[in-house]
Amino acid sequence: EVQLVESGGGLVQPGGSLRLACAASGFTFSNSGMSWVRQAPGKGLEWVSYIGTSSTTTYYSDSVRGRITISRDNAKESVYLQMNSLRAEDTAVYYCAKYYSGMGSFDYWGQGTLVTVSS
Amino acid sequence: EVVLTQSPGTLSLSPGERATLSCRASQSVTSNYIAWYQQKLGQAPRLLIYGASSRATGIPDRFSGSGSGTDFTLTISRLEPEDFAVYYCQHYGNSRWTFGQGTKVEIK
Repeated sequence: EVQLVESGGGLVQPGGSLRLACAASGFTFSNSGMSWVRQAPGKGLEWVSYIGTSSTTTYYSDSVRGRITISRDNAKESVYLQMNSLRAEDTAVYYCAKYYSGMGSFDYWGQGTLVTVSS
Repeated sequence: EVVLTQSPGTLSLSPGERATLSCRASQSVTSNYIAWYQQKLGQAPRLLIYGASSRATGIPDRFSGSGSGTDFTLTISRLEPEDFAVYYCQHYGNSRWTFGQGTKVEIK
C-alpha cells in the first residue's frame, strides 16, 4: 500500500523558515518523481514544486521560486521542502504527491501538513 | 502559462442524476496531460482521470473523461452519495502544473 506521510508543519512568523518532510513507503521511491502541492484555507489546489528521481531536475512555481528548495533522500525514501522568507500568503495545507510517471498527474497524495504564517 | 477555467462553480444535483463538469484551457493543450481529481472535505485529493480519459486504479466506471484541444469534460453517469465533493482539473506542460479553481458538486 502506497503511503505518504507529511510532517514539519506549524506556526511560524513572517520572514521565518520551516522544513517539511514527506516519508514514503509502498512503492519504489527512487523511481518516482515527487511534488508538493498546497491549498490555502478554503481555496483551491496550487502546485508548488517538483523533484525528479535523482534530484538533478527540480521545478518551482513562480510564487515560491527563490524562497523554497525541494530535495530528496532516496536512501531514506523521503522528500523535503525547505521554506524560507515565509509570507502570510504561504499559509496552507501542504500535500506531498507522487508523480505518475509520464502521465503528467499525481496518483498518490499524503494527508497534508498545515503551515500557518502569522505574527 | 495555461489557465484552466472550470464551470460551473457549483452543481446542485440529486443522487442518481448525471453530472457534467467542464474544464476549459486558455490555449490548446495535449490531452495526454489533463487529469481530474476528487477532493472531499478534510481529505487529500484523489486522482480520478489521467490522460483526459483514462480512469485511475480503482475508480468506478461511472466516472468518465473526454475532450481535446481546449475543452475537457468529466462526467459522472449516476451520482452516488459518496460522489458529492469538489472536483479539480489539472494540466501539465512546460515544467509546471496548473489546476482549475474547482467545481463543487452538492446535494440538491
